Amino acid sequence: DGGITQSPKYLFRKEGQNVTLSCEQNLNHDAMYWYRQDPGQGLRLIYYSQIVNDFQKGDIAEGYSVSREKKESFPLTVTSAQKNPTAFYLCASSSWDKNTEAFFGQGTRLTVV
Amino acid sequence: GENVEQHPSTLSVQEGDSAVIKCTYSDSASNYFPWYKQELGKGPQLIIDIRSNVGEKKDQRIAVTLNKTAKHFSLHITETQPEDSAVYFCAASKREYGNKLVFGAGTILRVKS
Repeated sequence: DGGITQSPKYLFRKEGQNVTLSCEQNLNHDAMYWYRQDPGQGLRLIYYSQIVNDFQKGDIAEGYSVSREKKESFPLTVTSAQKNPTAFYLCASSSWDKNTEAFFGQGTRLTVV
Repeated sequence: GENVEQHPSTLSVQEGDSAVIKCTYSDSASNYFPWYKQELGKGPQLIIDIRSNVGEKKDQRIAVTLNKTAKHFSLHITETQPEDSAVYFCAASKREYGNKLVFGAGTILRVKS
């Protein structure tokens, strides 16, 4: 089955720790994205990548980092510099060269304890 | 940058009635407008999309209309069913930025049986 997979589904982090959220896709999409979702708000773009070894900051990149070493993978690290990391994180992928559907993963809920 | 406003934030309808959700966007260069449905604890799924060269698109009980002059687009769901209950998001993007979607804040739709 083609799709986009996020893991883990739930993640707990102690204050001061870095954590990494996984995102893998087998849709052969060039572009991948990370969004953050807070209650009562829309999705906000953290980082995006058009191609392997390249990525760009979105609207709320502070306290986050990403890498794109493989086309299929776009992991997100939530660093200790992110002051309010508790949220629902969504990864997506799409073609880059035209406006087409963006496919979303099932999300990772991160909670700081 | 682009700004998308979505109304209403919550909508309750009786089963069988119609539901309408409206969005406005600010960037006249935006040319792709998808609608996503998100069920609790899951990632958003595309339900319908429209491009700027089209004024209306239908898919069974779902339709989207676009008014480029007024910069607004709407989702229409007819003959609503309990399984339509979810959070609905509108979004906008423009060709030269791939699928960097800017989302509205979402509408919680409740269909009462």
